[in-house]
Amino acid sequence: LAKTTQPISMDSYEGQEVNITCSHNNIATNDYITWYQQFPSQGPRFIIQGYKTKVTNEVASLFIPADRKSSTLSLPRVSLSDTAVYYCLVGDSGAGSYQLTFGKGTKLSVIP
Amino acid sequence: DVKVTQSSRYLVKRTGEKVFLECVQDMDHENMFWYRQDPGLGLRLIYFSYDVKMKEKGDIPEGYSVSREKKERFSLILESASTNQTSMYLCASSTPSGGTSYEQYFGPGTRLTVT
Repeated sequence: LAKTTQPISMDSYEGQEVNITCSHNNIATNDYITWYQQFPSQGPRFIIQGYKTKVTNEVASLFIPADRKSSTLSLPRVSLSDTAVYYCLVGDSGAGSYQLTFGKGTKLSVIP
Repeated sequence: DVKVTQSSRYLVKRTGEKVFLECVQDMDHENMFWYRQDPGLGLRLIYFSYDVKMKEKGDIPEGYSVSREKKERFSLILESASTNQTSMYLCASSTPSGGTSYEQYFGPGTRLTVT
């Protein structure tokens, strides 16, 4: 399974764009990159997933360079409600296996 | 909306007791997962199941077993609870989608304390 490395914590002011970078040097050809968000006392929630280049949805954007050894989650104009832990995952797409490995995540604190 | 429910939000058990944690999903998902979450360690996969009566070990299966007799229900069993199994337990489900989608839906979690 590909291992991911991301910052332990980040601080940001309200209204700023936040970029959280994750490195995954051992990513395999068939692996997808997925990001989750978790609020205290809740289960994680899926944010976005991508394979290469750029993916955007109503919540975030995901930038993946050509070598796919890293990815960046971009949250536009964060608010206090974006304070949460963000997990970067690389999917193991082996036959019959849908196992995901969650790292320790990045704790984002949004400051008023 | 997909709904994943867990039998208890909080549970207190004694060392040596047999503990059952139940998880039910209502979206006919094939895959179901059990994780535990501990401060500083993130989420760690205990077991998962991709079909009824099928199970696969995750990263930390020791001390746990699972049961999946029906598609919507996935049970985690602690045969003899120990204090180091005090943790938050999270259940999740997903649909295979050809192996290219890793969107999992999580339940609210069960905070288990073993004394």
